[in-house]
Amino acid sequence: QQPVQSPQAVILREGEDAVINCSSSKALYSVHWYRQKHGEAPVFLMILLKGGEQKGHEKISASFNEKKQQSSLYLTASQLSYSGTYFCGTAAAAGNKLTFGGGTRVLVKP
Amino acid sequence: DGGITQSPKYLFRKEGQNVTLSCEQNLNHDAMYWYRQDPGQGLRLIYYSQIVNDFQKGDIAEGYSVSREKKESFPLTVTSAQKNPTAFYLCASSVTGYSEQFFGPGTRLTVL
Repeated sequence: QQPVQSPQAVILREGEDAVINCSSSKALYSVHWYRQKHGEAPVFLMILLKGGEQKGHEKISASFNEKKQQSSLYLTASQLSYSGTYFCGTAAAAGNKLTFGGGTRVLVKP
Repeated sequence: DGGITQSPKYLFRKEGQNVTLSCEQNLNHDAMYWYRQDPGQGLRLIYYSQIVNDFQKGDIAEGYSVSREKKESFPLTVTSAQKNPTAFYLCASSVTGYSEQFFGPGTRLTVL
């Protein structure tokens, strides 16, 4: 079953923060986060494994709460380059295929 | 330069024709994947392969076929049985079946 992402879209001013959530009805082993610019291929941001470890990529970080079966992506002090659609992909076990959420569109304005 | 190539970038076909999309990688990755993306939607898995000469159906395999005869190559055939083939097709690869995936530039298929 597809994970649910929220919000579906968010508009930010440069320098503002945002949080994107990814929730699953199944127990999760891992969560992947990707960003896709319009008309381009998705680009990998980070993987979070079971254990609740928080990771970071520039000023983008993420957490994984396995009890809640949820991951959150934090965009801190957003830059114009952060605009795009963010997808989470979840796997129920090591080696399992990823199931992607519907995406969250982020627009950062000057 | 290591990476994934997909060709062609744009493809037009008449309804009822089979069409094969190319995906090649020189990253020495074991796992390869095909996804379909419709406008404003997420990625849906069509087929994946974790090793040469083996592949598994994804969530929307009906109307598609694949082969994995070489580690570097994972072509996707969109058959005439696929009811609504117009979409953006993305190929990806990863070192193992659960590591980060690297995506190719995609092929935009339009069936007229």
